[in-house]
Amino acid sequence: KQEVTQIPAALSVPEGENLVLNCSFTDSAIYNLQWFRQDPGKGLTSLLLIQSSQREQTSGRLNASLDKSSGRSTLYIAASQPGDSATYLCAVPMYSGGGADGLTFGKGTHLIIQP
Amino acid sequence: EAGVVQSPRYKIIEKKQPVAFWCNPISGHNTLYWYRQNLGQGPELLIRYENEEAVDDSQLPKDRFSAERLKGVDSTLKIQPAELGDSAVYLCASSLVRAEAQYFGPGTRLLVL
Repeated sequence: KQEVTQIPAALSVPEGENLVLNCSFTDSAIYNLQWFRQDPGKGLTSLLLIQSSQREQTSGRLNASLDKSSGRSTLYIAASQPGDSATYLCAVPMYSGGGADGLTFGKGTHLIIQP
Repeated sequence: EAGVVQSPRYKIIEKKQPVAFWCNPISGHNTLYWYRQNLGQGPELLIRYENEEAVDDSQLPKDRFSAERLKGVDSTLKIQPAELGDSAVYLCASSLVRAEAQYFGPGTRLLVL
């Protein structure tokens, strides 16, 4: 059974800092990995999707990397802003066999950017 | 392009009462998912549909939960009777095909008293 762990569980940094959120998964036979953002009382917003054949994806100030062999992904946020404050979740497909599978999520990293 | 639509956004009921949640996925998305998210946790899959067929419902508590997706578009998730432990956020998501991103709706916050 796939398990996803996110470290740290919470992070508070001053505005302007660059930061890294970590995600690890137990079964490396994944075909993609997705990072989400969740604001309080809201649904999930998809940030980045990395296919298994890719090593990284970039969107604006966000960069996500994937190392399948070690079962790890990182989300890098450059020049953090107070508006980046949210919970960040990573997720991988539940099964390695393929198909449009449900996702297994980590518990998330609760990020606070101090003005 | 409209996102995933869910209703209601909030629901408060007493235990043993029935409740239903509705989801309209992104147009053209054949795959639809229902997840449940408890406080401080990531979402957990309840059921997955490919068009109108439930292809993965292994984690759906079938004694009290049921779901349907008529005509392969909208979907309804029902709980009857609700228990205190069912209080959570129920999220609907959709995706186009395999290996594509899943897009989530705003969720329905359920409180069972």
